[in-house]
Amino acid sequence: EPEVTQTPSHQVTQMGQEVILHCVPISNHLYFYWYRQILGQKVEFLVSFYNNEISEKSEIFDDQFSVERPDGSNFTLKIRSTKLEDSAMYFCASSYDIEQFFGPGTRLTVL
Amino acid sequence: QKEVEQNSGPLSVPEGAIASLNCTYSDRGSQSFFWYRQYSGKSPELIMFIYSNGDKEDGRFTAQLNKASQYVSLLIRDSQPSDSATYLCAVISNSGYALNFGKGTSLLVTP
Repeated sequence: EPEVTQTPSHQVTQMGQEVILHCVPISNHLYFYWYRQILGQKVEFLVSFYNNEISEKSEIFDDQFSVERPDGSNFTLKIRSTKLEDSAMYFCASSYDIEQFFGPGTRLTVL
Repeated sequence: QKEVEQNSGPLSVPEGAIASLNCTYSDRGSQSFFWYRQYSGKSPELIMFIYSNGDKEDGRFTAQLNKASQYVSLLIRDSQPSDSATYLCAVISNSGYALNFGKGTSLLVTP
């Protein structure tokens, strides 16, 4: 069964550094998303991407964040200058329609 | 602020019993309603979704939606210890595809 994959599974970085999180969505899906979950808190929407552009974003997704689909398979989330409060699980999801399927996540730890 | 509310639990049920999980939402414009299961340290896993008033059944799971009361529930029949997890209610409004999650209800099925 096709699934969303994410790399790396765990990323440790220093405050102020740039990180790029990688996702490979399910191949025939059209919509791509990033969510995050701070430890012990709810899953929060960051951004959705369709037809090579951002279709929706939350207040969390400020100028420090960007997304890209550099080729036909990858979907990336870049955080330009990480803060301590960016420490969280970051989930990529994809959908053909409204049913969103989540990847296993990348745990980002900012020191 | 569009809220999705769930009792945090834990909800404890004996093996073989019916588990009933509830969710309320504040945005009357909400269109589609989802139930995800999340095991500790893992990503959300889609169980089912519903968008019409009434019941929708999928195997041991039944989702129930009452838009007038802004209430959605998930019934799990013949609960198994492997069903022990956090159950997340998520809602899509009519303005996009972003999932707005509740904090989840922890379910414990005891042998």
